[in-house]
Amino acid sequence: DSGVTQTPKHLITATGQRVTLRCSPRSGDLSVYWYQQSLDQGLQFLIQYYNGEERAKGNILERFSAQQFPDLHSELNLSSLELGDSALYFCASSVSPSGINSPLHFGNGTRLTVT
Amino acid sequence: AQKITQTQPGMFVQEKEAVTLDCTYDTSDQSYGLFWYKQPSSGEMIFLIYQGSYDEQNATEGRYSLNFQKARKSANLVISASQLGDSAMYFCAMREGNSGGSNYKLTFGKGTLLTVNP
Repeated sequence: DSGVTQTPKHLITATGQRVTLRCSPRSGDLSVYWYQQSLDQGLQFLIQYYNGEERAKGNILERFSAQQFPDLHSELNLSSLELGDSALYFCASSVSPSGINSPLHFGNGTRLTVT
Repeated sequence: AQKITQTQPGMFVQEKEAVTLDCTYDTSDQSYGLFWYKQPSSGEMIFLIYQGSYDEQNATEGRYSLNFQKARKSANLVISASQLGDSAMYFCAMREGNSGGSNYKLTFGKGTLLTVNP
């Protein structure tokens, strides 16, 4: 068990809808990352937060947004969903936001299916 | 250019044998970290092992070891005494130093699917 909690585990929704994915990092970790995993794109970095502030953005669509709250949990909001957004969404956390020796610890993921 | 290359889409190994999963990387930074993750069919991503660019000795964690060849920019994962439970997708990943501001994320390869046969 990595200590990172993601909910829900599965999500099925229709095109055009909006969903929220939730993540609680490991105790003591201040940095949260969101990744998208799909068959064709592999593991893609979306966004990183550190202690409540956005630190870096990757390949995140404008329809997607995220935030990290004072209690350090994070939410990823996906809106105007398209079929191509179907993927496994991971949250990860780390002690350091940028240390090269700091591994990311991943949650079990949220599997999103857009129909 | 790809930062992390895993050239073996799939590998097979007999139970109790050792197997090497290949990984090459591309970076101009002197300071970087290399990581291996395991993703079983259930989907979770499990951190296995870490190697720093300045580490002189190869990293080991139980049955996992990392064959780090800096000049060749390779960081191969060696799994000894394979078990059926080792069947999974394995990802190599890199976290670079401060150059280009890319130190915030892990960049992953496309993975190698390992199947352990009884």
